Amino acid sequence: QSALTQPASVSGSPGQSITISCTGTNSDVGGYNHVSWYQQYPGKAPKAMISEASDRPSGVSNRFSGSKSGNTASLTISGLQAEDEADYYCSSYTSGSTLYVFGTGTKVTVL
Amino acid sequence: EVQLVESGGGLVQPGGSLRLSCVASGFTFKNYWMSWVRQAPGKGLEWVANIKGDGRQSFCVDSVRGRFTISRDNAKNSLYLQMNSLRAEDTAVYYCARSPKFDFDCWGQGTLVTVSS
Repeated sequence: QSALTQPASVSGSPGQSITISCTGTNSDVGGYNHVSWYQQYPGKAPKAMISEASDRPSGVSNRFSGSKSGNTASLTISGLQAEDEADYYCSSYTSGSTLYVFGTGTKVTVL
Repeated sequence: EVQLVESGGGLVQPGGSLRLSCVASGFTFKNYWMSWVRQAPGKGLEWVANIKGDGRQSFCVDSVRGRFTISRDNAKNSLYLQMNSLRAEDTAVYYCARSPKFDFDCWGQGTLVTVSS
């Protein structure tokens, strides 16, 4: 089971909106709505930001939103802030023997 | 407050064994699937294994099947990962995570496993 494909880096200025893509196959992203997103600061544990493609857990800023179309899921961060600078990973349930696959990760830089 | 605290990591020689533990608090542990997720130094996240709330069903990634065993003790609110025949490529920070649906909503701080001679 190959990792989901994410851009290595995405950058934006404060206040702007950015979108991170997460591309898989019909066996994972395209086959289920079970896509989630995680934010990770260096040396820290990941934090759940989005579940079921577009559900935002309580306590997560509404500046974060998720969507999915076909084999690609997306995380959008609106009103970009300095504190959003981190690594972001997507994850999907899969139909293979490996139940869950993560994305390659995207480093978000706030210019 | 939900809390997950891992322990048991360390330096081990190739071919050796290690047992990781994760103690949970702040929620009804037996009601949740639990997972282990690892992250090699400077690399991305990799799901390792998970186990159902009652402990009767578990799954793992192909690369650890036959070497790693996930288990739990609901009386102790604890999750375990027994790792045998360790290889250099198993070197990583190992996180335990709660899996309410098909995601990982709470994570521990992680424990570092280093496999090296």
